[in-house]
Amino acid sequence: NAGVTQTPKFRVLKTGQSMTLLCAQDMNHEYMYWYRQDPGMGLRLIHYSVGEGTTAKGEVPDGYNVSRLKKQNFLLGLESAAPSQTSVYFCASSLDRVRETQYFGPGTRLLVL
Amino acid sequence: GENVEQHPSTLSVQEGDSAVIKCTYSDSASNYFPWYKQELGKRPQLIIDIRSNVGEKKDQRIAVTLNKTAKHFSLHITETQPEDSAVYFCAATPRNTGGFKTIFGAGTRLFVKA
Repeated sequence: NAGVTQTPKFRVLKTGQSMTLLCAQDMNHEYMYWYRQDPGMGLRLIHYSVGEGTTAKGEVPDGYNVSRLKKQNFLLGLESAAPSQTSVYFCASSLDRVRETQYFGPGTRLLVL
Repeated sequence: GENVEQHPSTLSVQEGDSAVIKCTYSDSASNYFPWYKQELGKRPQLIIDIRSNVGEKKDQRIAVTLNKTAKHFSLHITETQPEDSAVYFCAATPRNTGGFKTIFGAGTRLFVKA
């Protein structure tokens, strides 16, 4: 049982490049989330999904897209990376709307030059 | 919009002393309050949580208290140890909305000096 995993661990992009971050969970959780973590700002929700095939915007969705084609995977895409997207990205999952405990992945450190 | 304020942003204590971190929330519909610990370079991990029908919860050296009227909740760590050094995040979630309504505080960096 690996829990929540993320790939890649670290990536450097040039402004304007695109990339996809992959999150996978093997706990059969319904809900999945993407957060970004910046110094002094805690965790901010980018997008979330309440089930396979569904996605919704969070607090800071601009510049990002997501997809959840399979229940266990949640992808975060950056179409045209900007320096402001330099951050640590965490994926998380939770069982359902009542059992809200979130389990986080190890994070992806992204640097946009 | 919903907001969770967390204080202090940095806390330094001597090993063996107690540490208290306080949070306030704005959404009165919040009823689930988790606390996460994040060690340097690691992922956030749940250490304790409390629901609005409970005023206090303890787990060994860690306790959380909730004052729904004042919309305050606090984390108390007793007999602190160097391995307690980390960033602690409080959060608040409205009833039955799942995690997508969870609002996190900005975090408290705790240093425990040996």
